[in-house]
Amino acid sequence: GAVVSQHPSRVICKSGTSVKIECRSLDFQATTMFWYRQFPKKSLMLMATSNEGSKATYEQGVEKDKFLINHASLTLSTLTVTSAHPEDSSFYICSARDTVADTQYFGPGTRLTVL
Amino acid sequence: AQSVAQPEDQVNVAEGNPLTVKCTYSVSGNPYLFWYVQYPNRGLQFLLKYITGDNLVKGSYGFEAEFNKSQTSFHLKKPSALVSDSALYFCAVSPNNAGNMLTFGGGTRLMVKP
Repeated sequence: GAVVSQHPSRVICKSGTSVKIECRSLDFQATTMFWYRQFPKKSLMLMATSNEGSKATYEQGVEKDKFLINHASLTLSTLTVTSAHPEDSSFYICSARDTVADTQYFGPGTRLTVL
Repeated sequence: AQSVAQPEDQVNVAEGNPLTVKCTYSVSGNPYLFWYVQYPNRGLQFLLKYITGDNLVKGSYGFEAEFNKSQTSFHLKKPSALVSDSALYFCAVSPNNAGNMLTFGGGTRLMVKP
């Protein structure tokens, strides 16, 4: 199946700093990528839909100025958590839509810990 | 609005026995239905999907799922469970198009004991 990578896999940062997470589709082009957040033992919560070459669409309750999304190419979307706080600590997962297979493929996730 | 229900937080089975992980959904239009598996501290791995056609869908690692329109269900099954199947399983639905956002169920933890 299609492969989606995320980098970094784990990151620890100090409160107030910004963290960038990259999501790449390795063997297919993705005009649409999605960013999810998962709390321990919980399901995935969609944060935003990232569209190549245009602004991301954020779900209700997600601060777009705090979670900056950029989808500059057909294989890369980035999520930047700005001015991170301990409550932003979570597992962030991206997915990319493979239009040929008509399926979303997920990255391995990034564990963010804000001290 | 679409929704997915996975009524069991955890399913326990003995190795070699058949397993079923339940999923029911609610969506307007024709649904796209998916099963994903998640191992600890990992992302989701695609198992199988139903879009149209045969109601019985076969996927990765010997898993299969049956689409039942009248019961709005899409239960995941495997004839003989392995200890390595122990993981968190998510059912998801999208209306008409996988490009739309997926709505996930709450997840079911499968524990396969030797």
